[in-house]
Amino acid sequence: SQTIHQWPATLVQPVGSPLSLECTVEGTSNPNLYWYRQAAGRGLQLLFYSVGIGQISSEVPQNLSASRPQDRQFILSSKKLLLSDSGFYLCAWSKGRQDSPLHFGNGTRLTVT
Amino acid sequence: EDQVTQSPEALRLQEGESSSLNCSYTVSGLRGLFWYRQDPGKGPEFLFTLYSAGEEKEKERLKATLTKKESFLHITAPKPEDSATYLCAVQAAGNTGKLIFGQGTTLQVKP
Repeated sequence: SQTIHQWPATLVQPVGSPLSLECTVEGTSNPNLYWYRQAAGRGLQLLFYSVGIGQISSEVPQNLSASRPQDRQFILSSKKLLLSDSGFYLCAWSKGRQDSPLHFGNGTRLTVT
Repeated sequence: EDQVTQSPEALRLQEGESSSLNCSYTVSGLRGLFWYRQDPGKGPEFLFTLYSAGEEKEKERLKATLTKKESFLHITAPKPEDSATYLCAVQAAGNTGKLIFGQGTTLQVKP
């Protein structure tokens, strides 16, 4: 069966510091991978998605970036965090079919102080 | 603009008191409507996919239905362990995996 791992679970970082969140998927090959952010009281917002190694699409302009160095690894990064980057970050995967459901990891709670 | 609206925002039920959650959507070419359950501090857990009007899916005490404009998540004789936030999301044609989520309905079931 497929599993998705996301870490760390919680993170407190000062403004201006760098960020690296990692996500890996097991039990499937060539998945579509996604980064979503969930702010308090707001719905999930798609940040990035990837249909293959090195292929990244950005949905929202911001100071975050994503990379996919391996087939089942997805990384969310920032060079300098802003207070507004605080939130709950969720990684997800889906099969390549257009109507496949997304399966989410357990998220990273990021607090920028 | 593609949009998803869920109601109510919060719902309190007594154990055994059946009810329904609503998800209204506007999307250009529906490829799928998805229901998720999210527990506090956790990622959303996939429940159902509905593809066309008239379709129904069931899982234990949950039943999801779909019309051309909305979906309902019916909860029959809920138990306290059904307490969670339920999220609805739609995928438009041509948007692989790019789901548009509603704000969710937070359900609390009291024993």
